[in-house]
Amino acid sequence: EAQVTQNPRYLITVTGKKLTVTCSQNMNHEYMSWYRQDPGLGLRQIYYSMNVEVTDKGDVPEGYKVSRKEKRNFPLILESPSPNQTSLYFCASRGRANYGYTFGSGTRLTVV
Amino acid sequence: ELKVEQNPLFLSMQEGKNYTIYCNYSTTSDRLYWYRQDPGKSLESLFVLLSNGAVKQEGRLMASLDTKARLSTLHITAAVHDLSATYFCAVQETSGSRLTFGEGTQLTVNP
Repeated sequence: EAQVTQNPRYLITVTGKKLTVTCSQNMNHEYMSWYRQDPGLGLRQIYYSMNVEVTDKGDVPEGYKVSRKEKRNFPLILESPSPNQTSLYFCASRGRANYGYTFGSGTRLTVV
Repeated sequence: ELKVEQNPLFLSMQEGKNYTIYCNYSTTSDRLYWYRQDPGKSLESLFVLLSNGAVKQEGRLMASLDTKARLSTLHITAAVHDLSATYFCAVQETSGSRLTFGEGTQLTVNP
């Protein structure tokens, strides 16, 4: 089944403890992207990648890192999480054809 | 900076009625998306609109794009309860993959 898989689905962590949210797609898509969704603010793009080793900042990149060493994986790294990074995170991917992005199931992160 | 505005943000309607959600954006774009999100769920792709005058329909939903007016509409025909969800438009900048979402329209269809 074609899908975008994020892990974990839920995560509670403490301020300053490094964490990684994984994202993997099995559709051979070139484009991948991370978003955060917050009440009243909608979805905001954190980082995106147009292909392997090509990444760029979205609207809210501060406090996040990404890497794209392989086409299928696009992990989101929080080196020193803070409470304002408590949010619902989505990974998404898209191929070059004219279809919409496929979204993962989401990761609900709480930083205390 | 690309801005995307949806209205209304909240919409309560009765079954059987028609309504339109509007999505305005501020700069040129080569691609506009509509998504649906159910509470606690991920986003489901509804439509991809690629060119001026594009119109797509699926069931009771029809989306259109006017690139000159920088406006897309999502029209709901004869609403049913199953359409209750939050609907987002998202605009992709011409230069690449940067995608900007509207705030979302929370639709409630009452019996």
